[in-house]
Amino acid sequence: GAVVSQHPSWVICKSGTSVKIECRSLDFQATTMFWYRQFPKQSLMLMATSNEGSKATYEQGVEKDKFLINHASLTLSTLTVTSAHPEDSSFYICSARDPYTQVMAYEQYFGPGTRLTVT
Amino acid sequence: GESVGLHLPTLSVQEGDNSIINCAYSNSASDYFIWYKQESGKGPQFIIDIRSNMDKRQGQRVTVLLNKTVKHLSLQIAATQPGDSAVYFCAEGGGYQKVTFGTGTKLQVIP
Repeated sequence: GAVVSQHPSWVICKSGTSVKIECRSLDFQATTMFWYRQFPKQSLMLMATSNEGSKATYEQGVEKDKFLINHASLTLSTLTVTSAHPEDSSFYICSARDPYTQVMAYEQYFGPGTRLTVT
Repeated sequence: GESVGLHLPTLSVQEGDNSIINCAYSNSASDYFIWYKQESGKGPQFIIDIRSNMDKRQGQRVTVLLNKTVKHLSLQIAATQPGDSAVYFCAEGGGYQKVTFGTGTKLQVIP
């Protein structure tokens, strides 16, 4: 089956620094990738939709200048948390759509997530 | 705004019994609903989906029921196993490619 990977799986950074999280589709080309954030014991909240070769579409309330998304290729999207603060500590999950095998618009493969801790 | 939510945060079930996880949704215009399973420290895993024009769909050991009259969705797991222990989310496939997740129910299987 299709696999989506994330790197790193966990990261600890100091307040004020930036951290980059990678999301890769390993065996398919993903024209669309999604980034979610999940706080402990809470649900996944969609942050942005990333389309290859174009600017990401951010959900209301998500700061585009703080959460930089780049989808430069059909297999890689990156999320950079700039000037991270402790309140940015969360579980970040990406997902990707395979337009050739996933018929329904909502279908997507999820990555394993990245645990970010800002100290 | 529109939302998908769950009432029971934790459900404890004896191994071998059937589990029923419930979900209330508020967006009557949703075309499809999905159930996901999330194990600790991992991403969501697709379980089963159902279109809004259906009221029941069965998979392997799982059944999803949709009651549009009361905007209620449920996931039934037959013969619950320890490996079923996880957090279960209902979700709405609303908008272009977007998925809106509910609040989740933790299923604990008692051996």
